[in-house]
Amino acid sequence: EDQVTQSPEALRLQEGESSSLNCSYTVSGLRGLFWYRQDPGKGPEFLFTLYSAGEEKEKERLKATLTKKESFLHITAPKPEDSATYLCAVQEVGGSYIPTFGRGTSLIVHP
Amino acid sequence: NAGVTQTPKFQVLKTGQSMTLQCAQDMNHEYMSWYRQDPGMGLRLIHYSVGAGITDQGEVPNGYNVSRSTTEDFPLRLLSAAPSQTSVYFCASSYAGTAEAFFGQGTRLTVV
Repeated sequence: EDQVTQSPEALRLQEGESSSLNCSYTVSGLRGLFWYRQDPGKGPEFLFTLYSAGEEKEKERLKATLTKKESFLHITAPKPEDSATYLCAVQEVGGSYIPTFGRGTSLIVHP
Repeated sequence: NAGVTQTPKFQVLKTGQSMTLQCAQDMNHEYMSWYRQDPGMGLRLIHYSVGAGITDQGEVPNGYNVSRSTTEDFPLRLLSAAPSQTSVYFCASSYAGTAEAFFGQGTRLTVV
């Protein structure tokens, strides 16, 4: 069983059509949850870190939220340049500080 | 600042050949790691290091070796390449603790 599950696997939106990506996790104790953006042919780029339930972080059209079992990445009025794969990763209490990644959500925003 | 630098960017190997993927970081980060990324599989951890002289295995370590003689460098060695090792490899580094990881641009490896 994967510790980190992302859904949907792929998402197609029209420009301006808001939506959310989901990341659910099953670690017994969460040390930190990370969101990354990955463009084709490039390495992941850090977006946010969340540490505790109820926490929220925002950056331009993106807002990340965290509950005890999942995180959401809300995309408000997306633009074509938001097209990318979004990766979620977790650090578990008692484990190494190396994050475990989900399989990602591929987002395409059509103009 | 160069950040995390991986070389080469592309490589084709024949089955049974060995090679070393290079990774260097100039941010004085303690933690370094190697992932492989395959379609539909996400990033899977191969090996990681929490400081010079200290390494440990990740989720998919078989067929790979690492060493960490300096803080800056963390090479990944393929001992005898197999077609199953065809993948994109990413190196990452971070400060200790819950700090975010910085990734290199990746090495696309094809084993024929």
